[in-house]
Amino acid sequence: NAGVMQNPRHLVRRRGQEARLRCSPMKGHSHVYWYRQLPEEGLKFMVYLQKENIIDESGMPKERFSAEFPKEGPSILRIQQVVRGDSAAYFCASSPTGYGEQYFGPGTRLTVT
Amino acid sequence: DAKTTQPTSMDCAEGRAANLPCNHSTISGNEYVYWYRQIHSQGPQYIIHGLKNNETNEMASLIITEDRKSSTLILPHATLRDTAVYYCIVRLHGSSNTGKLIFGQGTTLQVKP
Repeated sequence: NAGVMQNPRHLVRRRGQEARLRCSPMKGHSHVYWYRQLPEEGLKFMVYLQKENIIDESGMPKERFSAEFPKEGPSILRIQQVVRGDSAAYFCASSPTGYGEQYFGPGTRLTVT
Repeated sequence: DAKTTQPTSMDCAEGRAANLPCNHSTISGNEYVYWYRQIHSQGPQYIIHGLKNNETNEMASLIITEDRKSSTLILPHATLRDTAVYYCIVRLHGSSNTGKLIFGQGTTLQVKP
C-alpha cells in the first residue's frame, strides 16, 4: 500500500506567481489534512477536507490560499500571488477516518524568490 | 484539546532506552495521547497513541499514569536513526472534533554513539 504522495517535492516560484501543491492520500483514505511548517518553526494546521467538502479551514490564511479535494484525483492546495513569506514546507496527511492516526507525505518545499 | 508540556531537548546513548516525558494535566476523559516524530524535516511519522492503558507496538511503548496527567514514550533500544523531534499531542476522538493535530515545540532527542 503506497504511502501518501505529494508533488512536486520542490517548487520554486517568483513573487506574484501561483503555486499548486498536490496530495494523493493513501488508498482507502478519504480524509486529508494540510499543514505548513515555516523555517525554524513548528507545524501548523491549515485545512481539513473530505471528498468534495472542506470540513475545517480555521488555519488557512484568509486571502490567496484555497484547497480542494475533488471526487476524483488528488487534493490541491493553491496559493495565488505568492509572497516570500509563503516559503515553507507544506505537508499533507491522510486518514481513513476523521480521527485516529494520520499518515504524512514527504512534503513540498516551496521557495518564493 | 488539552495543552502538553515537553522538555525542549534530551540526549540518549545509542542502544539504551530513551524515555520521553509529557505532561498533560488538563486532559479530559475522552482525549487520547498521541506521539509523532519528525526526522530532519521529513514528514511527521505516527508512533503510537493511547487513552488510559499502556500501549506497545513495534516502534515504542506508551506509559500513561493512572491519573492520565502525564505519559512517557519509551524507545527501548535507541539507534542513531531515532534522532528526531518528538511531539506529544492530546486530541479528542469523535464527530465533535475535526481531527486536526496541534503540534507544540516537541522534544529534540539526540541519540549519541
